[in-house]
Amino acid sequence: EVQLVESGGGLVNPGGSLTLSCAASEFTFSDYTMNWVRQAPGKGLEWVSSITSSTTYIYYADSVKGRFTISRDNAQNSLYLQMNSLRADDTAVYYCARAAIAVAGTGPFDYWGRGTLVTVSS
Amino acid sequence: EIVLTQSPATLSLSPGERATLSCRASQSVSSYLAWYQQKPGQAPRLLIYDASNRATGIPARFSGSGSGTDFTLTISSLEPEDFAVYFCQQRRSWPITFGQGTRLEIK
Repeated sequence: EVQLVESGGGLVNPGGSLTLSCAASEFTFSDYTMNWVRQAPGKGLEWVSSITSSTTYIYYADSVKGRFTISRDNAQNSLYLQMNSLRADDTAVYYCARAAIAVAGTGPFDYWGRGTLVTVSS
Repeated sequence: EIVLTQSPATLSLSPGERATLSCRASQSVSSYLAWYQQKPGQAPRLLIYDASNRATGIPARFSGSGSGTDFTLTISSLEPEDFAVYFCQQRRSWPITFGQGTRLEIK
């Protein structure tokens, strides 16, 4: 069974930094586009960033562009999200999600981790 | 950015009833629309992809339809475990966007 396990969340001061990790298993990680999606408390889903299988293409939401950096280590089956200059409105559960392989574009998100909570507060 | 608008915000129905949820896109997304179900404290689960294809393991009571800008998720006969929040998502163009969600609650 495909598994995605996020870690690295916690409480951080405004302006601070945090790095999230996502450990993947039971599938060929290097074949898939991977994604981060967040959900503020009591709110809907917000796509954050995507990275293609060989890191050729990387995309960011405008709300995090210039502050967050997505990366992956295919040898370690791991996805990362480096978050800098954190703000209160970055407070959310951050999910790692796999995009299904699609004929065109990025596929739907077929597997999700359980998420890790990031709280930005002084 | 493609904006997805879901309606209604909340739908109150009883088990056994039929549920119809709507998702409207601000511009055409072709058939690149997915539906997700989310229960409290859980991650979203993919239900429908490319407008009308059920994901692996999803019961046949869930069906999706539509193309272009108007999409529908139908649950033919509600089971107790179907009461949850449902989100639509488009992958036609960047940025990927989600609708704001429809909460399906027990009447």
